[in-house]
Amino acid sequence: GAVVSQHPSRVICKSGTSVKIECRSLDFQATTMFWYRQFPKQSLMLMATSNEGSKATYEQGVEKDKFLINHASLTLSTLTVTSAHPEDSSFYICSATLPGLAGGVNTGELFFGEGSRLTVL
Amino acid sequence: QKEVEQDPGPLSVPEGAIVSLNCTYSNSAFQYFMWYRQYSRKGPELLMYTYSSGNKEDGRFTAQVDKSSKYISLFIRDSQPSDSATYLCAMSANYKLTFGKGTLLTVNP
Repeated sequence: GAVVSQHPSRVICKSGTSVKIECRSLDFQATTMFWYRQFPKQSLMLMATSNEGSKATYEQGVEKDKFLINHASLTLSTLTVTSAHPEDSSFYICSATLPGLAGGVNTGELFFGEGSRLTVL
Repeated sequence: QKEVEQDPGPLSVPEGAIVSLNCTYSNSAFQYFMWYRQYSRKGPELLMYTYSSGNKEDGRFTAQVDKSSKYISLFIRDSQPSDSATYLCAMSANYKLTFGKGTLLTVNP
């Protein structure tokens, strides 16, 4: 199946610093990628939809100036948590759907990265 | 009331047991219903998706949807220790997925 890779898998940073997480589609081109956040014992929450070559679409309540998303190529999307605070500590997961698979999101045919655990001290 | 409710467990069963995982939902617009498996510190992987009410079987896994009751289930037959993971239900409408909290399952050898 299609492979989505995330890096880093774990990052610890000091409060006030910025952290960048990369999401790569390794064997396919992903025009759309999705960024989720998962707090312990909570469900995956969609943060934003990342479209190659255009601005990301953020979900209600997600600060676009704090969570910067860049999708500069068909295989790479990045999430930058700016001025991170302890409450931003969470598991961040990206996903992508195969190109041309219009029903991919509707049918849940998403390929997820392995996630990045962010701890802000 | 949350759109998707899922008992977080944890659920612990002996190897070989039949496991039943369930979710309820309130949004009648949901059209597709999925089950994902998520191992510790990993991203979710899609197990099955269904569209209509009824049962869908794939090996040891059976997904069941009852739209009239707004209730979905995942049954795992002959459970194995390798099935130990968190199982997330998810539902979609208009190209947007909504996930349950996940149920942590442990299958003991």
